[in-house]
Amino acid sequence: NAGVTQTPKFRILKIGQSMTLQCTQDMNHNYMYWYRQDPGMGLKLIYYSVGAGITDKGEVPNGYNVSRSTTEDFPLRLELAAPSQTSVYFCASSYGSGDQPQHFGDGTRLSIL
Amino acid sequence: GEDVEQSLFLSVREGDSSVINCTYTDSSSTYLYWYKQEPGAGLQLLTYIFSNMDMKQDQRLTVLLNKKDKHLSLRIADTQTGDSAIYFCAESYSSASKIIFGSGTRLSIRP
Repeated sequence: NAGVTQTPKFRILKIGQSMTLQCTQDMNHNYMYWYRQDPGMGLKLIYYSVGAGITDKGEVPNGYNVSRSTTEDFPLRLELAAPSQTSVYFCASSYGSGDQPQHFGDGTRLSIL
Repeated sequence: GEDVEQSLFLSVREGDSSVINCTYTDSSSTYLYWYKQEPGAGLQLLTYIFSNMDMKQDQRLTVLLNKKDKHLSLRIADTQTGDSAIYFCAESYSSASKIIFGSGTRLSIRP
């Protein structure tokens, strides 16, 4: 049981490039989340999904897009990378909301130069 | 509004107890969590407490909730070097689809 798997672990992008951060979970969780963590800061929610075909904006969605075509996968897309998007990105999943704990991947460290 | 606040740093001597504090603003919070993040890793759920509870104990961990003051604490007994990490307090509501995280408290252990 792998849990939440994120790829890649590290990436360096040039300004204006695009890329997709991959996230997959094998726990049959309905809810999935993308967060970014800046140095010395907590987690800020970018987007979340309560099930396949449904996505919603979090606190900081600008510059990102998501899709949820299957229960397992929740990719995060950066269309035009900007230095402000340099961060560590975490994907998480949970069975439901409220009392259901979130399970986190190990993160993707992204640098935009 | 939703806000969770924690102090940024805590240093304790190995073998002593660590107490990490957290305050939150939303009185409708239903669940409160403590997550641990080790270097280079994601967050790992340590424990959580329902808002109708005052205390929860799990081995070396004790969670205390003061709902009147909106104050949550995590006590780690007999702190070990392996407890060095960032600890995040978080809150959620039964009707909501998201969890609000604090900024994290970095716990360092000195010999």
